[in-house]
Amino acid sequence: DADVTQTPRNRITKTGKRIMLECSQTKGHDRMYWYRQDPGLGLRLIYYSFDVKDINKGEISDGYSVSRQAQAKFSLSLESAIPNQTALYFCATSETGGYGYTFGSGTRLTVV
Amino acid sequence: AQTVTQSQPEMSVQEAETVTLSCTYDTSESDYYLFWYKQPPSRQMILVIRQEAYKQQNATENRFSVNFQKAAKSFSLKISDSQLGDAAMYFCAYRVMFLQGAQKLVFGQGTRLTINP
Repeated sequence: DADVTQTPRNRITKTGKRIMLECSQTKGHDRMYWYRQDPGLGLRLIYYSFDVKDINKGEISDGYSVSRQAQAKFSLSLESAIPNQTALYFCATSETGGYGYTFGSGTRLTVV
Repeated sequence: AQTVTQSQPEMSVQEAETVTLSCTYDTSESDYYLFWYKQPPSRQMILVIRQEAYKQQNATENRFSVNFQKAAKSFSLKISDSQLGDAAMYFCAYRVMFLQGAQKLVFGQGTRLTINP
């Protein structure tokens, strides 16, 4: 099994719908992150969490919310999806003082 | 704020030849980490190589090496003996540390590398 698992792998949804992207990890890492990837923009940070009780906004948090249900689970929600939220979304984890991230395999979200 | 710039949206190289991908960054810190990640069509993000700023020696991982120029804030990736499996999007990234011990990676825009047989 993958260390960081994202579900679903692909999703098409309609404008205005609420959608949740899920991430779970078996690495035992405290730190978890959500990024979105857009062509020509690289990966940009949406939210990050130091632990279950500590959640912080990233560069582009508007229109998104998160929930850290447990150390191993970190979900990203789009309350009312809009077409410009069409992107590839990555969850990642890191250990305290570690080097770099462990990434999930991404969720490709299309909002029509 | 730290920024990372990859000025080459696309690059191509003949199989077995050498290619260099460019990356520049902006920071006021003296100690930091830089990374190159590879994203093949499977879209998995794979760590290629890591460089610690306090180390003058350039990092090397098999056919992958970096040219780290700290004063110029440049961090290029050289791929020798290019193989078809090297075709991917490559991202340069800079690590920002928080007081709480968490880290944030700031990514460049990416360079799409094509390998011509």
